[in-house]
Amino acid sequence: EVQLVQSGAEVKKPGESLKISCKGSGYSFTNNWIGWVRQMPGKGPEWMGIIYPGDSETRHSPSFQGQVTMSVDKSSNTAYLQWGSLKASDSAMYYCARCSDRYWYFDLWGRGTLVTVSS
Amino acid sequence: EIVLTQSPGTLSLSPGEGATLSCRASQSVYSEYLAWYQQRPGRAPRLLIYGASSRATGIPDRFSGSGSGTDFTLTISRLEPEDFAVYYCQQYGSLLTFGGGTNVEIK
Repeated sequence: EVQLVQSGAEVKKPGESLKISCKGSGYSFTNNWIGWVRQMPGKGPEWMGIIYPGDSETRHSPSFQGQVTMSVDKSSNTAYLQWGSLKASDSAMYYCARCSDRYWYFDLWGRGTLVTVSS
Repeated sequence: EIVLTQSPGTLSLSPGEGATLSCRASQSVYSEYLAWYQQRPGRAPRLLIYGASSRATGIPDRFSGSGSGTDFTLTISRLEPEDFAVYYCQQYGSLLTFGGGTNVEIK
């Protein structure tokens, strides 16, 4: 089955670090860009950035540049999104999604990872 | 950055009625690189339309997309109960951006 499986919900304190994951299966993981999308409660999706698993090339949304780090591990078909120092405003649902073969629209989505940052 | 403005914010309709959703871009979207997604409560978005008018795999033909330049439309010809959801447009001609969404609710 073609799918993206995301890591489970996280509860963290402000200032803590976090790395969430997205494992692809059922397709050639290195051939499609993977994107990360934030969705705050009751709001629309916000594109954060995309990464190409083949060579780890990245593109960032200006709104998230410098705020998060994207990475991949080709050996395990897994993409990662990490924060060095979380803020309460980082509380949201985070989705990973696969870009289509040639264009940057998302044809496959993970179920999301809920991140809660609270003291 | 291209800003996408969706209207109306909420559409109140009955099953069987048709729906017309608008997505307007702050500048021309390159080569009609515009997609539409459906999001049901508690679920991830689902791709409906790409390239402004091409239906994604498995999407019923009651969903259709049109438009070019800065003005795009998603039309649902006859609303089924499962179509009541939030719909987002996304452009991918200049990096990526999402619109703010249209909530199609049951009247």
